[in-house]
Amino acid sequence: TQLLEQSPQFLSIQEGENLTVYCNSSSVFSSLQWYRQEPGEGPVLLVTVVTGGEVKKLKRLTFQFGDARKDSSLHITAAQPGDTGLYLCAGAKSGGGADGLTFGKGTHLIIQP
Amino acid sequence: EAGVTQSPTHLIKTRGQQATLRCSPISGHTSVYWYQQALGLGLQFLLWYDEGEERNRGNFPPRFSGRQFPNYSSELNVNALELEDSALYLCASRLSPGPHEQYFGPGTRLTVT
Repeated sequence: TQLLEQSPQFLSIQEGENLTVYCNSSSVFSSLQWYRQEPGEGPVLLVTVVTGGEVKKLKRLTFQFGDARKDSSLHITAAQPGDTGLYLCAGAKSGGGADGLTFGKGTHLIIQP
Repeated sequence: EAGVTQSPTHLIKTRGQQATLRCSPISGHTSVYWYQQALGLGLQFLLWYDEGEERNRGNFPPRFSGRQFPNYSSELNVNALELEDSALYLCASRLSPGPHEQYFGPGTRLTVT
């Protein structure tokens, strides 16, 4: 059972365009993390959102946690080739991380120069 | 500050053999998590160690086991290797108790032939 559904799975756009990646679930999460992973490397943490409705910005990246804490989105403004990578959302269902993180399958993003 | 380290980078084994993977967490982090990232399946939670004890395990057979040492480093053992065990094995550490953020190492690529 895939508890976190990410969409789209693949996205290829031109430099300068905007894009949004979605992470949806029927389950409530106590927190949600977004990671970026390069081929052959481990995921790198971008942000953690904890409060329903929370919005966090990291330069051109905007992360939002849904009011019910079941979904999240990542919006990139004016995408650049350096944004290319696999974007993963991961949810913590319980406090303390007892269940480990539940990961989506990821969005493969390619930014064409 | 050094990040999470893992060794070896690559490991090639034949079916039926045993594999041992090692992980050193970020200094001060007491929790270590292991994940399997197999092609097409995304990251799957394997094991969680905290303060030297196994706290939780994911939906994997008992031939996946491990331990955590007094210095909080950890090793993952996979017995009776099967071809489908070929994957990237990722270790993550977390400050426990504390926020849910997990920080990943670069992974060990295990290939079973």
